[in-house]
Amino acid sequence: AQKVTQAQTEISVVEKEDVTLDCVYETRDTTYYLFWYKQPPSGELVFLIRRNSFDEQNEISGRYSWNFQKSTSSFNFTITASQVVDSAVYFCALRLYGGSQGNLIFGKGTKLSVKP
Amino acid sequence: DVKVTQSSRYLVKRTGEKVFLECVQDMDHENMFWYRQDPGLGLRLIYFSYDVKMKEKGDIPEGYSVSREKKERFSLILESASTNQTSMYLCASSLSDHFSNQPQHFGDGTRLSIL
Repeated sequence: AQKVTQAQTEISVVEKEDVTLDCVYETRDTTYYLFWYKQPPSGELVFLIRRNSFDEQNEISGRYSWNFQKSTSSFNFTITASQVVDSAVYFCALRLYGGSQGNLIFGKGTKLSVKP
Repeated sequence: DVKVTQSSRYLVKRTGEKVFLECVQDMDHENMFWYRQDPGLGLRLIYFSYDVKMKEKGDIPEGYSVSREKKERFSLILESASTNQTSMYLCASSLSDHFSNQPQHFGDGTRLSIL
């Protein structure tokens, strides 16, 4: 069975601190896709990144970076020099190759609070 | 940019009422989805549709139905609302794909309270 675990329910940091959000997934498939979404207090889930299972190259986008390690089935998300605007719930999600169109499996989310 | 619009941000209804939640997307996406989000449970898929008039059950379809008469619109229907359906409802859409890598784009959500 497929599963996504975000062990950190809530994280609180002070502005300018670096913070890493953990995501561990389970699947026996060899081809799959991983996603991160951000949900600010306004409610809308915002797509941040997609990663294919055959591409383990890490990605950096401004203050955001993602570390994908197949060996540990992890897809962690780091925010460098956090800002108050980063306060949100962050979701990691898994989709299998060729899976049902609706088969996006979400973790339960990590609530990040960045205090000034 | 993809725009997914949900008709109401907040909605209050009474037990037993028939409730309609509407969702419209403007990017000609084939796929549309309805989720509910509850504290501690994350997002759970209720129904999705991959084409007009087509629908598939998600993980928790009981007590809900859906309608997709036009490509851009996907409606979620609570046939007889109950208090345990009080929740945040999120609509999403995505391109159809054979490689499963298309991201879903979400609306702002509807916070529904059933009294």
